[in-house]
Order: sequence, then C-alpha cells, then structure tokens
Amino acid sequence: DADVTQTPRNRITKTGKRIMLECSQTKGHDRMYWYRQDPGLGLRLIYYSFDVKDINKGEISDGYSVSRQAQAKFSLSLESAIPNQTALYFCATSETLAGATDTQYFGPGTRLTVL
Amino acid sequence: AQSVTQLDSHVSVSEGTPVLLRCNYSSSYSPSLFWYVQHPNKGLQLLLKYTSAATLVKGINGFEAEFKKSETSFHLTKPSAHMSDAAEYFCVVSEPSGYSTLTFGKGTMLLVSP
Repeated sequence: DADVTQTPRNRITKTGKRIMLECSQTKGHDRMYWYRQDPGLGLRLIYYSFDVKDINKGEISDGYSVSRQAQAKFSLSLESAIPNQTALYFCATSETLAGATDTQYFGPGTRLTVL
Repeated sequence: AQSVTQLDSHVSVSEGTPVLLRCNYSSSYSPSLFWYVQHPNKGLQLLLKYTSAATLVKGINGFEAEFKKSETSFHLTKPSAHMSDAAEYFCVVSEPSGYSTLTFGKGTMLLVSP
C-alpha cells in the first residue's frame, strides 16, 4: 500500500463550486504539505503544516484553505473554484529534524480541472 | 531567501550517451539540495540529496550530483542514458533549518532517443 495517498485522483468541476482534496499518510510523519504543479512552473507550495495545531501559508495560498484533521490527514479546499486553479495537486510529508531539512515524500497527485 | 534555477527546460540525448542536467542555486546559508524525478503521469521520486556531507552525492539508477559551493551549482549527471530515464527532473533547495520548506526549480524535461 502507498505511504501517501490522495483522493480523488482526477476531478472535473465547474467554476464557483467548492471542492476538497484529501491526503492521508501512513509514514507517521508530523509535517504535511500541499503543492500545485503547472507546466513550466515546477511545484509551488500552497500550505504546510508542521503538526496538527500548526498551519502555515505557502507561496500561493490565495483561494485555498486547509484542514489538518489528524496527524495522518491533511485536506485542501477550494472554496469557490476558478479556471486558473486547474492544475496537478500534490500532497507531501516529511519528518521533523532539528536543524535540518528532511526528504519529502509525495503522493501520486490529483488532477483538477475547473471548467 | 532561497531560489533555484534550472538552466535548461529541455535536454535531448541519445541512449548510451552521458546526461547533464544543470542547476544553480541561491541561498543565504549552506543549503540542502535535492533532485527529484517525475515520470509521465506519476508522482515525484527522490533521486538524491545533499546535506553538507560528501560533495559528490550518489543517487538511484546511476545518477549522481556534485555540490560546488564556489559555483553555487548542483548539476545532475549520469554516464550513460537509458530510455527509462526519460522524465522531468526537478532541482530543489532548502535552507538548513528545522522550519524550512522546499523551493523547486521549474524542471528539465529529459528526452532520450534510441
């Protein structure tokens, strides 16, 4: 079984709809992240959480919100989807290391299309 | 602030020839550096990482990268390309703090021809 899972894997929605993307992990990591990938732009950080009570905005948080329901679950919501939020979304996890940056482990991605 | 520049958006090689994917970084500190690979319609997989130990880092599938502080570079190489290496490669930088996050380059698409 995959360590980091994302649901749904593909989603088509309409402008103005609310949508939630879910991420679960079995790696036991404290830290979780949401990224979006657009062609030619690499991955950009939307939100991140270093533990259940710690939520931080990333580079491109406008139009998104998150919820950390448990150590293993981190959800991304689009309150009112718009077409330029069409992208591939990745969840990632990492351990907490003092004074160092640990490897991030990525889920398989969710392809979201907003019409 | 940290940043990373991948100097080529596309690199084309023939199978069996060497691969060089170029990456330059900017960081106020001694950074951690990573290379990730993304095969078509797949998630991201870690190839290798540098975290201030040996400057020549060996990764999976025959890839390696050398950290050169004087040149602020972390280029990815492989002696002999295989068809299965065709993918997008991302250079990633992070500053060595327990509270840091990753900054991704825009990616280099590696094309391998027979």
